[in-house]
Amino acid sequence: RKEVEQDPGPFNVPEGATVAFNCTYSNSASQSFFWYRQDCRKEPKLLMSVYSSGNEDGRFTAQLNRASQYISLLIRDSKLSDSATYLCVVLRSQGNLIFGKGTKLSVKP
Amino acid sequence: GAGVSQSPSNKVTEKGKDVELRCDPISGHTALYWYRQSLGQGLEFLIYFQGNSAPDKSGLPSDRFSAERTGGSVSTLTIQRTQQEDSAVYLCASSDRRGYQPQHFGDGTRLSIL
Repeated sequence: RKEVEQDPGPFNVPEGATVAFNCTYSNSASQSFFWYRQDCRKEPKLLMSVYSSGNEDGRFTAQLNRASQYISLLIRDSKLSDSATYLCVVLRSQGNLIFGKGTKLSVKP
Repeated sequence: GAGVSQSPSNKVTEKGKDVELRCDPISGHTALYWYRQSLGQGLEFLIYFQGNSAPDKSGLPSDRFSAERTGGSVSTLTIQRTQQEDSAVYLCASSDRRGYQPQHFGDGTRLSIL
C-alpha cells in the first residue's frame, strides 16, 4: 500500500462548481499534512496546511481526520485558474515530505 | 530575493554515462531536499539534508545515486551509470528548518537518458 494515496482524476468541472478531493495516508505516525498545487510542467507550490480542527483559506477548505487517516480539500466557486494538479503531502517524523501522485482538476468555462 | 536555483535545466545523455545535477538553495535555508518526478507520476522523495546532521538517504533508489551538500549550501546529486528509467525531472527544494513549510522548489532539471 502506498504511503499517500489520491484519486488521480481528472476531475472536470464547470466554473462555479464545488469540488472535493480526498487523500488517505498509511503511516499513523505522520505529523503534518499539506496540500500543494502543481501547474503543468511547473514546480509544486504550497497551497495550504491541514489542521486537525479544519481550516479555511478563501474558497479553499482543508480537513483532517486522524482516526481515519484521511485528508480532504474542498474548493468552492471554482475558477478557471484553479485548473492544476493538487498534491496531498504528508510530513514524516524524520522531517521529509511524502507526496501523493496528485489529483488533476480541470475547470471549464 | 533569489529562489532555489537548479542547473542544468535540461540534460540529455547516453545510457551508462554519469551525470551531476546541481542545486543552490535559498540563502540561509538549512534543509535541502531532492525529489524526482517521472512523467505523469507524483514526486518521489530521494534524499534530505538538514544542517550538519547525517542526510536521510532512505529514498535513493539504488547505489548508483548519491548526493552531497558542501558547506551547508550547494548540493550535487550524482547518478552513475545512468539507465533509461532514470529519465525524469529532478526537483530540489529548501526550507528554513526541518520540516518547515513551505518548501521552496527549484524549476527542476529535466534528465533524458537515450
